[in-house]
Amino acid sequence: EAAVTQSPRSKVAVTGGKVTLSCHQTNNHDYMYWYRQDTGHGLRLIHYSYVADSTEKGDIPDGYKASRPSQENFSLILELASLSQTAVYFCASSDWGGYAEQFFGPGTRLTVL
Amino acid sequence: QQQVRQSPQSLTVWEGETAILNCSYENSAFDYFPWYQQFPGEGPALLISILSVSNKKEDGRFTIFFNKREKKLSLHIADSQPGDSATYFCAASGGSNYKLTFGKGTLLTVTP
Repeated sequence: EAAVTQSPRSKVAVTGGKVTLSCHQTNNHDYMYWYRQDTGHGLRLIHYSYVADSTEKGDIPDGYKASRPSQENFSLILELASLSQTAVYFCASSDWGGYAEQFFGPGTRLTVL
Repeated sequence: QQQVRQSPQSLTVWEGETAILNCSYENSAFDYFPWYQQFPGEGPALLISILSVSNKKEDGRFTIFFNKREKKLSLHIADSQPGDSATYFCAASGGSNYKLTFGKGTLLTVTP
């Protein structure tokens, strides 16, 4: 049974609209991450969290907010979606930072029109 | 600023050959280097990793060679199989920055 799940798996949004991507993990991990993947750019870290009710900025946080209401759940919020935010978004979890293996979800394909 | 670079962008090998994927980095503080494998439509998954105190790590057909002085490493996939066709990401972390920094990936195609 998948330990990191994401919803929705795909979404079409309109420019200027609000988008919320959700992630749920059953690994009992403290750390959770949001990455975006674009062709030619690999994976880039948007936000991460190491404890509930706290989030940290990653390498490309502009235009995104994150929420960690519980250990199991981590959301990524696009308040005003833009065309440039069309990408595949991956959530991951790990039991600690640094050298710990990160377990990825299946991804959410977001298209902003 | 691309701190982790991968080459080639894409690589095609015949079944049974050894595929060699290259990675280099800039930050001397990096001391942990995992390789992630990603199949189309899926999230990446850890394949093999190495710490900078080692210069070689083997796991079955997969071997990492690490050169700390040159800040380079490579992933060798021996006896490549069509099922190895995937995108491979080199990543790095270490020092006070424990976040993983990913390279752009190498798309490997193994032809039967």
